[in-house]
Amino acid sequence: QKEVEQNSGPLSVPEGAIASLNCTYSDRGSQSFFWYRQYSGKSPELIMFIYSNGDKEDGRFTAQLNKASQYVSLLIRDSQPSDSATYLCAVRGSQGNLIFGKGTKLSVKP
Amino acid sequence: DTEVTQTPKHLVMGMTNKKSLKCEQHMGHRAMYWYKQKAKKPPELMFVYSYEKLSINESVPSRFSPECPNSSLLNLHLHALQPEDSALYLCASSQDPGTTEAFFGQGTRLTVV
Repeated sequence: QKEVEQNSGPLSVPEGAIASLNCTYSDRGSQSFFWYRQYSGKSPELIMFIYSNGDKEDGRFTAQLNKASQYVSLLIRDSQPSDSATYLCAVRGSQGNLIFGKGTKLSVKP
Repeated sequence: DTEVTQTPKHLVMGMTNKKSLKCEQHMGHRAMYWYKQKAKKPPELMFVYSYEKLSINESVPSRFSPECPNSSLLNLHLHALQPEDSALYLCASSQDPGTTEAFFGQGTRLTVV
């Protein structure tokens, strides 16, 4: 059974700082990794996906994947109060389903 | 367009009621999913439909009955639910089951009284 581990937080950063969210996974054969943002009471919103080792950047977001260490991270630069949410790390399962970590709650303080 | 539409947004039902949740996407995606999310927990997979066929049933009680009438629609029929079934029910779709990212609908907030 694939497992995904995240620090549940809360992670608190000041506005304008870099927020660093981390995730580890148990199945060395996992190929696809996703970060979703979920505001309270809303559904998860896909913000990044990464399939290859290294960094992938999209605006203020950078996803980093290290398959040797079974580690995925998400960096949010110039954090804004609107980034305050729970961030869910997910790995794709064998049937295309997503296996989620428990999520990290991020709070960006003005 | 990455829109997955779920109806209704909110539903309150009694334990003897029968109701249905609906999910629709027009992105040509061939994989559709139902997840259940309890408060402060991550989404948990319930069912996967791949090319309109049920491919995963995660030991979900029979009071939940999925249906995929066509490639764009996914239903979840509810019958004789329990109060502990109250949760956010999320539909998602992806282009195919093995690759590409999945997109979620806005969810149905279900309360069983």
